[in-house]
Amino acid sequence: QKEVEQDPGPLSVPEGAIVSLNCTYSNSAFQYFMWYRQYSRKGPELLMYTYSSGNKEDGRFTAQVDKSSKYISLFIRDSQPSDSATYLCAMSAVYNAGNMLTFGGGTRLMVKP
Amino acid sequence: DSGVTQTPKHLITATGQRVTLRCSPRSGDLSVYWYQQSLDQGLQFLIQYYNGEERAKGNILERFSAQQFPDLHSELNLSSLELGDSALYFCASSVGDGPTYNEQFFGPGTRLTVL
Repeated sequence: QKEVEQDPGPLSVPEGAIVSLNCTYSNSAFQYFMWYRQYSRKGPELLMYTYSSGNKEDGRFTAQVDKSSKYISLFIRDSQPSDSATYLCAMSAVYNAGNMLTFGGGTRLMVKP
Repeated sequence: DSGVTQTPKHLITATGQRVTLRCSPRSGDLSVYWYQQSLDQGLQFLIQYYNGEERAKGNILERFSAQQFPDLHSELNLSSLELGDSALYFCASSVGDGPTYNEQFFGPGTRLTVL
């Protein structure tokens, strides 16, 4: 079983819909949680960066972390066709040294006009 | 544009060969990370350097090695290449070392094809 699980999708929604993307994880040492957006054949782009539990909002994006359930979510409001991409969750822990990220497999999102 | 640059964009080579991938971090960033992305394994952490020193190691094969130079650019060397090494290789950079307020920004990647 992978440390971080993510539904691969694809998830298809109409323009303007609210999108919910989720990840579950097994390592309780994870304390930092990120969401990246990756367009085809491009590098991942950092969308949200959160620490421990709680919510964080940035424009149309809201990240939620529930450490008790080992579950994180990304909500996209008023989704646009330009949001069509693969969304990757990533996590890191405060280990002795370094800052390695552990990624989920990514969810492919398609927003249809 | 993240500010992280990688060269070359594409690399096609044969099995058994050796290649070098290059990365320049964002201005002011001291940490460089290398990741491998393949269809079956997803995005996997390989290695991290901070200000010239190796800081963390992931599932990096012994045939792979990396270094960070005094000007902070980094190179990933892949040798005795196998078909299974075909993947996208990403470099990322961050300001510091640990995860506290230390976002990683990714470059555009190098697509390696081993024939």
